[in-house]
Amino acid sequence: DAGITQSPRHKVTETGTPVTLRCHQTENHRYMYWYRQDPGHGLRLIHYSYGVKDTDKGEVSDGYSVSRSKTEDFLLTLESATSSQTSVYFCAISEPPKGNSPLHFGNGTRLTVT
Amino acid sequence: DAKTTQPNSMESNEEEPVHLPCNHSTISGTDYIHWYRQLPSQGPEYVIHGLTSNVNNRMASLAIAEDRKSSTLILHRATLRDAAVYYCILSPGWGSARQLTFGSGTQLTVLP
Repeated sequence: DAGITQSPRHKVTETGTPVTLRCHQTENHRYMYWYRQDPGHGLRLIHYSYGVKDTDKGEVSDGYSVSRSKTEDFLLTLESATSSQTSVYFCAISEPPKGNSPLHFGNGTRLTVT
Repeated sequence: DAKTTQPNSMESNEEEPVHLPCNHSTISGTDYIHWYRQLPSQGPEYVIHGLTSNVNNRMASLAIAEDRKSSTLILHRATLRDAAVYYCILSPGWGSARQLTFGSGTQLTVLP
């Protein structure tokens, strides 16, 4: 798993509650990513970070925020969870994406919003 | 953004070679071709990547067409553990990380 830990691995929460997912890496990679995976949609990029306090939006960023205060940690927050955010969330890391930098993924967090 | 097209599913017999195709007709000159696979209940795993020349590693081989509009991931001898979803994506040489998009991939079934 290239030194990537996602927590929690599973979470059930109620609609309207805030939720924070954590990604921790021990590889000192500069880039970190949050993807969600849903049946029929494959993996979709939510947000990514290219350094401490440097983040940018992906293709499905609405309803999500991120923070990166340390190189090793990238947090994904759902300010007010909705049922449409029920999904499996994957964190990934890479060296700067100059084309030949592979992504390395964690094992995911399964989030259920009831 | 350049996209890829893969068959939804393929089957192979155990211990036989598998050729997984990917079309990327709008690839730009600086896009790298990456392959990942995802086993059940796990995150995607990097397999191989290339730019123009064919590539080999311990997991697989990557054959890239001369015009780079298609590529093929080759598993030389499929095992039951190779049953997974295989994703072909393009990684821009000088673009944004926002362009690292995945499609639905190819579900490979390996028959004993």
